[in-house]
Amino acid sequence: GENVEQHPSTLSVQEGDSAVIKCTYSDSASNYFPWYKQELGKGPQLIIDIRSNVGEKKDQRIAVTLNKTAKHFSLHITETQPEDSAVYFCAAYPASSYDKVIFGPGTSLSVIP
Amino acid sequence: EAQVTQNPRYLITVTGKKLTVTCSQNMNHEYMSWYRQDPGLGLRQIYYSMNVEVTDKGDVPEGYKVSRKEKRNFPLILESPSPNQTSLYFCASSLTPGTGGQKLFFGSGTQLSVL
Repeated sequence: GENVEQHPSTLSVQEGDSAVIKCTYSDSASNYFPWYKQELGKGPQLIIDIRSNVGEKKDQRIAVTLNKTAKHFSLHITETQPEDSAVYFCAAYPASSYDKVIFGPGTSLSVIP
Repeated sequence: EAQVTQNPRYLITVTGKKLTVTCSQNMNHEYMSWYRQDPGLGLRQIYYSMNVEVTDKGDVPEGYKVSRKEKRNFPLILESPSPNQTSLYFCASSLTPGTGGQKLFFGSGTQLSVL
């Protein structure tokens, strides 16, 4: 079945620097890759997503890139701010069942003021 | 306000005592699902439902039951809780199932401790 790996597990950056989180997936037929942000004490919230027919997508300071050949996708946050501190989860939907979702283990991002 | 509501927020119980965690959404979503979150393991899907009276197993369904009698409600039932079910649980919903993924709306979570 689908397996999603995510690195790093923890990441600390200075305010204003960029942060990059990488995920790899195993099912080459997966076609939807969302990223969720979980703030302390809250449920995850979708921040950006990408489908397999697109290589890159941007939304202000965040962007996601997808490399289908290598089966990996990455979240890029530029000009980080303290409010970006959170746990970030990537996810993939296996082709065998588009109603199931496999999440990565998460990355705890700390932005140091 | 559009939201997914879970109750209770915190729950401490003892081994073997049946419990139910409720989940309700007010967005008329067809798809609902339950996840557990454990350190280092991320979010793992327990059960999901594509519509009323339609439920299916996720990756870690053992020890859990669900029901979907109404579109808005999707309770998670632990018939005989065990300590390894101590976890943070999330309910989520999306407008429609399938077709390669939809935005999930999550509840605020239920922290369950089984002693």
